[in-house]
Amino acid sequence: ETGVTQTPRHLVMGMTNKKSLKCEQHLGHNAMYWYKQSAKKPLELMFVYSLEERVENNSVPSRFSPECPNSSHLFLHLHTLQPEDSALYLCASSQDRGALEQYFGPGTRLTVT
Amino acid sequence: SQQGEEDPQALSIQEGENATMNCSYKTSINNLQWYRQNSGRGLVHLILIRSNEREKHSGRLRVTLDTSKKSSSLLITASRAADTASYFCVSPAGGTSYGKLTFGQGTILTVHP
Repeated sequence: ETGVTQTPRHLVMGMTNKKSLKCEQHLGHNAMYWYKQSAKKPLELMFVYSLEERVENNSVPSRFSPECPNSSHLFLHLHTLQPEDSALYLCASSQDRGALEQYFGPGTRLTVT
Repeated sequence: SQQGEEDPQALSIQEGENATMNCSYKTSINNLQWYRQNSGRGLVHLILIRSNEREKHSGRLRVTLDTSKKSSSLLITASRAADTASYFCVSPAGGTSYGKLTFGQGTILTVHP
């Protein structure tokens, strides 16, 4: 849709599973972001990467582990999640960390059972 | 903390009518953005207005900014069923949170054909 793709689009996992979310941007951007969108709550920023370096960790539990192997790819590794972690996880990118406009992927709908 | 708060929380109109959404924010900003999100999907950037601008147009969209009242409005003219979505006002978090955007809870707009 916008040059940012996310896989999978839907994921159902048990609390003892380990899974990973993948994000890829084709825009040549240098900053990438993970957001969590829960029902009835504003979009929450989880992590910010700039030039593959994590520059912000927004008090996210350690059961969420991000990885940015290069400026085009961003992963979110999940383990031992809780049912309240069920949400839409959105990836975004921007030209650089200070750029005003962010480009979002379609999101991964995660359900933890 | 939540910076922008949209009003109303939900708006239902008929195709062809105009839709107006309002946003209030708490701290001083140098720009404000509006994003749209179709149901369960990623966000799409609509328009950005800077603090030295009072009004900005983009197609059927008109955004106003009143920095003295810390408020903004988004007007969609001649609405279409395809405009059905959630609309978010987004502002920089400010301070030391460089590059961080803060989202409101959004206005859910339903346009009936």
